[in-house]
Amino acid sequence: GNSVTQMEGPVTLSEEAFLTINCTYTATGYPSLFWYVQYPGEGLQLLLKATKADDKGSNKGFEATYRKETTSFHLEKGSVQVSDSAVYFCALKAAGNKLTFGGGTRVLVKP
Amino acid sequence: GAGVSQSPSNKVTEKGKDVELRCDPISGHTALYWYRQSLGQGLEFLIYFQGNSAPDKSGLPSDRFSAERTGGSVSTLTIQRTQQEDSAVYLCASSLVGLASTDTQYFGPGTRLTVL
Repeated sequence: GNSVTQMEGPVTLSEEAFLTINCTYTATGYPSLFWYVQYPGEGLQLLLKATKADDKGSNKGFEATYRKETTSFHLEKGSVQVSDSAVYFCALKAAGNKLTFGGGTRVLVKP
Repeated sequence: GAGVSQSPSNKVTEKGKDVELRCDPISGHTALYWYRQSLGQGLEFLIYFQGNSAPDKSGLPSDRFSAERTGGSVSTLTIQRTQQEDSAVYLCASSLVGLASTDTQYFGPGTRLTVL
């Protein structure tokens, strides 16, 4: 079946540091890949997505590239802010339309 | 426009009672999904409605769980004879079409269910 594996947190960083959250997947067919973010006390929000190999999704300074050869979709941001503190979920959608999520990575950015 | 709304935002119930959770999708979205977010299991798919098609119930954990979608819009998730392991945040999402792998799901704020 489909599965998503992402690095466990928490990840603690200082402001302006570089952030990487690793995500790898297993899926049949050609899934679409997503990063969702959950800020404290808020619901899940779509951060970015990529629908085919070599696509790069980007939003709010975050980027992730769909790498079919390594089945990965790592999330990166060059300079994090305190406001980026949240839980980040990698997810895929293949045939059947349901999202399969990774376990989530909590990120804490300190001033 | 308005996003996905869910009610109630919090629900505390006693073991053995039935509960109903409501979801109002984004207007015009034909696909509706229920997920569950719990400490032990992470985010899990429960059920998916697409237009007038038979729902995909493959994620429902037991026959105590059921859902319906009336008039292609509002959905209700019902849990009968609640158990403590049902405690979780129940999330609803909707998407415009649901048939394309590129379709984006938009999530509501969730209902936090606590079973005592």
